[in-house]
Amino acid sequence: AQKVTQAQTEISVVEKEDVTLDCVYETRDTTYYLFWYKQPPSGELVFLIRRNSFDEQNEISGRYSWNFQKSTSSFNFTITASQVVDSAVYFCALSEGALTGGGNKLTFGTGTQLKVEL
Amino acid sequence: NAGVTQTPKFQVLKTGQSMTLQCAQDMNHNSMYWYRQDPGMGLRLIYYSASEGTTDKGEVPNGYNVSRLNKREFSLRLESAAPSQTSVYFCASSEKWASGNTIYFGEGSWLTVV
Repeated sequence: AQKVTQAQTEISVVEKEDVTLDCVYETRDTTYYLFWYKQPPSGELVFLIRRNSFDEQNEISGRYSWNFQKSTSSFNFTITASQVVDSAVYFCALSEGALTGGGNKLTFGTGTQLKVEL
Repeated sequence: NAGVTQTPKFQVLKTGQSMTLQCAQDMNHNSMYWYRQDPGMGLRLIYYSASEGTTDKGEVPNGYNVSRLNKREFSLRLESAAPSQTSVYFCASSEKWASGNTIYFGEGSWLTVV
């Protein structure tokens, strides 16, 4: 069965520090998709990034970057020069492919609460 | 830029009462979902509708029913609310049912059952 582990329950940093949020996944599929979502204090879930299992290139978007490593089944998320507005819960999620029945069911990790303080 | 809209945002129910959470999306998506979020457990899929006219159970369907009213709307009904259904409920949609389609979420509905 697919599984997503976010071992860091809560992280606190001071503004301008870099921070990495870890995500480790388990799947039997060779084709799968990984996602990151942000949940700010207001409660909505905001899509950040989608990555498929065949694309191991790192992704950078402004202060955000993602490191996908199939060898360690990890899809880590780094925020550079963190800001107070980055304070949120971040979820990593996995969608498996055809081998396990297909369909678009997301399995979520339990989330990492990031607190950025002045 | 509404995206996925769900109502109500907050609701308090007494045990045994019924209620319906409403959801609508304006992105012309084919697939819609209901998830619940509980502390320490991430989000779990309750029901989904791969396309208009179909609905299927997800991971935690007990105590819920759904209706895909049309392509835009997907409602979640609690027939007899229980304290265990106290949770945050998220409606979501994606363009297609195929794996990997990005799922977009609504703003959430906070439900308390006392």
